[in-house]
Amino acid sequence: AQSVTQPDIHITVSEGASLELRCNYSYGATPYLFWYVQSPGQGLQLLLKYFSGDTLVQGIKGFEAEFKRSQSSFNLRKPSVHWSDAAEYFCAVGARNTGFQKLVFGTGTRLLVSP
Amino acid sequence: DTAVSQTPKYLVTQMGNDKSIKCEQNLGHDTMYWYKQDSKKFLKIMFSYNNKELIINETVPNRFSPKSPDKAHLNLHINSLELGDSAVYFCASSQASGYAYEQYFGPGTRLTVT
Repeated sequence: AQSVTQPDIHITVSEGASLELRCNYSYGATPYLFWYVQSPGQGLQLLLKYFSGDTLVQGIKGFEAEFKRSQSSFNLRKPSVHWSDAAEYFCAVGARNTGFQKLVFGTGTRLLVSP
Repeated sequence: DTAVSQTPKYLVTQMGNDKSIKCEQNLGHDTMYWYKQDSKKFLKIMFSYNNKELIINETVPNRFSPKSPDKAHLNLHINSLELGDSAVYFCASSQASGYAYEQYFGPGTRLTVT
């Protein structure tokens, strides 16, 4: 069974500074990996996904993530954070062996942006 | 042109009552899901339907009964509500076939049981 660990519960970043949110997964094969963002009182919005190919994937809102098989990681990065990026970020892993995606989510990282 | 919609957005009710949450998607997807997000923001899948057929049922109490009248709708009925059912419930949809399996989420329904 797959699992996801997001070791940071909260992260505070100054506006304009770079950001890296950590995600480690556990799965027996190459997984499908996703990052979602949840703004307060909102649903989840897909930022980016990794299925195969280039291990550096670009997403919306200037985010990118890198899949590192050797480290079982899929960390999310952004070079310059904006105040509007303050939200909850969820990493998720899906199994490849079925089209019926059972996504397993991490516990989330809350991003706070200071002026 | 909302992709995944849920009604109601907020639901406040008393213990023991029965309530339903409705979900509709206009993306043409063939798979729909219900997730529960607890007070600590932890998201866990409850059910998944593909072409109106139940394919995932994650050890959810049988007080919860999903119903899919067609591919575009997946409703969640909850009997005999308990305090522990208070949470945000998210509906999602995806296309099972093909390459892109990403799930699209609705805005959530915040259920409060008093």
